Amino acid sequence: SQQGEEDPQALSIQEGENATMNCSYKTSINNLQWYRQNSGRGLVHLILIRSNEREKHSGRLRVTLDTSKKSSSLLITASRAADTASYFCATEGGGSNYKLTFGKGTLLTVNP
Amino acid sequence: DTAVSQTPKYLVTQMGNDKSIKCEQNLGHDTMYWYKQDSKKFLKIMFSYNNKELIINETVPNRFSPKSPDKAHLNLHINSLELGDSAVYFCASTASGGVADEQYFGPGTRLTVT
Repeated sequence: SQQGEEDPQALSIQEGENATMNCSYKTSINNLQWYRQNSGRGLVHLILIRSNEREKHSGRLRVTLDTSKKSSSLLITASRAADTASYFCATEGGGSNYKLTFGKGTLLTVNP
Repeated sequence: DTAVSQTPKYLVTQMGNDKSIKCEQNLGHDTMYWYKQDSKKFLKIMFSYNNKELIINETVPNRFSPKSPDKAHLNLHINSLELGDSAVYFCASTASGGVADEQYFGPGTRLTVT
């Protein structure tokens, strides 16, 4: 069954603006990960946040995790046209060690 | 050097045929996966192997058979292809010995069944 649900499904912004994507999940997790997929390519790991962490940063990326609300957000600051891609959250845990369960993704378009 | 590679990149075939997709990783990882991504971009795990041992086998028709000759390779054989098998198939690997930490994905194989 599907675990993560990203919101919004699609987001269009101008270069330089910030982009925020949200992910909600249903069961307990060990960790939550965010991946990027450029059109026609494989997924690329962006960031992993463990269930005992609340916030994590990597370059222009900021991820938060609220386990009480079973939700996470990915913030991309000062977006660039090259950030245009689909972004997926994936959860691991809830008794399903060894595998990730992916959401349907958010399609981010950054207009130059 | 490509970390996770798949062949072929594109595969067009007719219903009823049998086909294979190959995956190799040069990262020294212990665990490999096959995922299917449908036309709506929903990514679903199919199989996982850890050190050549099958550890995840989701609800996949038994026309799909994974084979891991060694821990660097995980191939997917599909018998009696159906229209609904059309999708992009991704191979992935992780170092974590079965725990789903960061995964490295291949470029995908776009399978079209006509």
